[in-house]
Amino acid sequence: KQEVTQIPAALSVPEGENLVLNCSFTDSAIYNLQWFRQDPGKGLTSLLLIQSSQREQTSGRLNASLDKSSGRSTLYIAASQPGDSATYLCAVRAWGGADGLTFGKGTHLIIQP
Amino acid sequence: GAVVSQHPSWVICKSGTSVKIECRSLDFQATTMFWYRQFPKQSLMLMATSNEGSKATYEQGVEKDKFLINHASLTLSTLTVTSAHPEDSSFYICSAGTGKYEQYFGPGTRLTVT
Repeated sequence: KQEVTQIPAALSVPEGENLVLNCSFTDSAIYNLQWFRQDPGKGLTSLLLIQSSQREQTSGRLNASLDKSSGRSTLYIAASQPGDSATYLCAVRAWGGADGLTFGKGTHLIIQP
Repeated sequence: GAVVSQHPSWVICKSGTSVKIECRSLDFQATTMFWYRQFPKQSLMLMATSNEGSKATYEQGVEKDKFLINHASLTLSTLTVTSAHPEDSSFYICSAGTGKYEQYFGPGTRLTVT
């Protein structure tokens, strides 16, 4: 059974810093990996999706990498802003692509103004 | 594009009653819809997968007779929590997909059972 782990569980940094969130998964037979943002009491906002054949994806200040063979992904946030404060979730989709996502427990990020 | 709505956004019901939650894909046809549940400070857990016109597939540990899922059309799936109890209080989120690609998530429904 696929398990997704996110480290750290919580992170608080001053505004302007660059930071890295980590995600690991136990079964490397994935179809894709997706990073989401969730604000308190809200739904999910998709940030980046990486197909299993890709190594990284970039969107603005966000960069996500994928090393499928080692079961790892990182989300890099450059020049953090207070508006980046949220919980960041990593999720993988099993090979075949027909299944639902397996989520990690998330990293609760606070950017101090 | 790719907007998914849920209704209601929040609901309070008494123990023993049933509650229906709707999930709609507004601008695309969803061949598959997924239902997730999120308890406080926990991550999302997949409950079931539904394909239009067929029975839902439930994850291990999810009671199919308690959580009734209907996917009657390519744009609508419903989740009915039957005989709700306080332990069913949770945040329910649906997602919709068009195949082996990205899933689009709804905004979620907060259910509180008193």
